[in-house]
Amino acid sequence: QKEVEQNSGPLSVPEGAIASLNCTYSDRGSQSFFWYRQYSGKSPELIMSIYSNGDKEDGRFTAQLNKASQYVSLLIRDSQPSDSATYLCAVMSSGSARQLTFGSGTQLTVLP
Amino acid sequence: GAVVSQHPSWVICKSGTSVKIECRSLDFQATTMFWYRQFPKQSLMLMATSNEGSKATYEQGVEKDKFLINHASLTLSTLTVTSAHPEDSSFYICSARVSGSFETQYFGPGTRLLVL
Repeated sequence: QKEVEQNSGPLSVPEGAIASLNCTYSDRGSQSFFWYRQYSGKSPELIMSIYSNGDKEDGRFTAQLNKASQYVSLLIRDSQPSDSATYLCAVMSSGSARQLTFGSGTQLTVLP
Repeated sequence: GAVVSQHPSWVICKSGTSVKIECRSLDFQATTMFWYRQFPKQSLMLMATSNEGSKATYEQGVEKDKFLINHASLTLSTLTVTSAHPEDSSFYICSARVSGSFETQYFGPGTRLLVL
């Protein structure tokens, strides 16, 4: 069973703080990792993708990947109330089907 | 670019009826589309992988005779929920992968189904 684990939260941070979201995965052969943001009642929206070990920055978002530890994280700097959403970690399978397996999501609330 | 649409956005139907949901890639060709289902406060669960011109691949536990998938063109996949029952009420979301790419999936806005 290929699994993706996330802390369900809820995670609350004050406006302007750094929000840290974590994810672990079981398929050691996975090569592609994604973070999606999902607002209540809406479909997921891609925020970041990361394929190599290390950090990848895009604006206020930084994704971190450690394949040896099978760990991927997302940092949100200068958190804003509009960042309040559920964040889904997704891992692409190593098989030929190239399917995404999603974690259960972490609910983030940024307090004004 | 990479816009995926779904129609309808929401549907209410009586138990026993069939409902068809369309998923379209508007500005790119999608050899592969995926259908997900999401129940309240749960994550997305992959139902099936739809490949243009061939039969869909269903995940374990998903009834292929109940959830009919047709991917007749590079821009359109349809999901038909046959003889819908209240337990089929859910948020159905499709995604499309750009042809020639193995990576990013773009999601449609979802279809909320309520079966009375």
